[in-house]
Amino acid sequence: GAVVSQHPSWVICKSGTSVKIECRSLDFQATTMFWYRQFPKQSLMLMATSNEGSKATYEQGVEKDKFLINHASLTLSTLTVTSAHPEDSSFYICSARDLGHTDTQYFGPGTRLTVL
Amino acid sequence: GESVGLHLPTLSVQEGDNSIINCAYSNSASDYFIWYKQESGKGPQFIIDIRSNMDKRQGQRVTVLLNKTVKHLSLQIAATQPGDSAVYFCAVPPGSNTGKLIFGQGTTLQVKP
Repeated sequence: GAVVSQHPSWVICKSGTSVKIECRSLDFQATTMFWYRQFPKQSLMLMATSNEGSKATYEQGVEKDKFLINHASLTLSTLTVTSAHPEDSSFYICSARDLGHTDTQYFGPGTRLTVL
Repeated sequence: GESVGLHLPTLSVQEGDNSIINCAYSNSASDYFIWYKQESGKGPQFIIDIRSNMDKRQGQRVTVLLNKTVKHLSLQIAATQPGDSAVYFCAVPPGSNTGKLIFGQGTTLQVKP
C-alpha cells in the first residue's frame, strides 16, 4: 500500500524555538495533505488542510501564524510550530490523500513533539 | 456539524473470541465510513471502509456493519489475537469532497491471552 513518512519521529525543543515537521508521500502524489494533533489518550483532531501550490486552510481555533504549513510539491508538506510552548507538546500526525487510486487517505507514523 | 461517538472507551476480550466495536454518527447524509487501528506511538492504519449503499462489508477477519436507520456502525473482529490490541477509531467525512475526516473518540481493545 501507499506509504507516508514523517520526519522527525520525535523532537524535544526549548520553549520559544520553532520546530519543522515534514510529511512525505513516498510512492504517490498528494495534492492534499492533512495535519492532525493528538493528545494522550485522546482522538485525532484535524488542524489544517494542506493544499499543494496554495494556502492551507485551518480548522476553527487553530492559529495559522503559529502553525505554518507549506505544501511546495506533490509529495511534501511541512508543518512548522513557531515559538513553541509546553502546551504545544503533542503527537502530530499527517495524512495524504491518494487521488490516483481510491481516494483513500494514508497516515504517517506521527511525530512526538516535547517542548521543555 | 458532524459528530462521531463511540459507545465504550475500553473493550477487553479473551484471545480467540470475537470483538465488536461500535460507533455512532450524527449526520444522516454521511455516505462514507472508515475504521482505523492505531497502535501505541504510531499513526492510524486503515482497516476497512464502507459506503452508504451497503450495509455490510467483509475483509480479512473483519466485518463492518452499517445501520443507516439508527446511524450506527460496528466493527467486528473474528478470532481476536494479541496483535489486535490497539485503539480503534471510526472516521466520517463531515460532508463535501474535502477529504477531511472527523474521528470518533476511540475504543481501546485489550486482548487477554
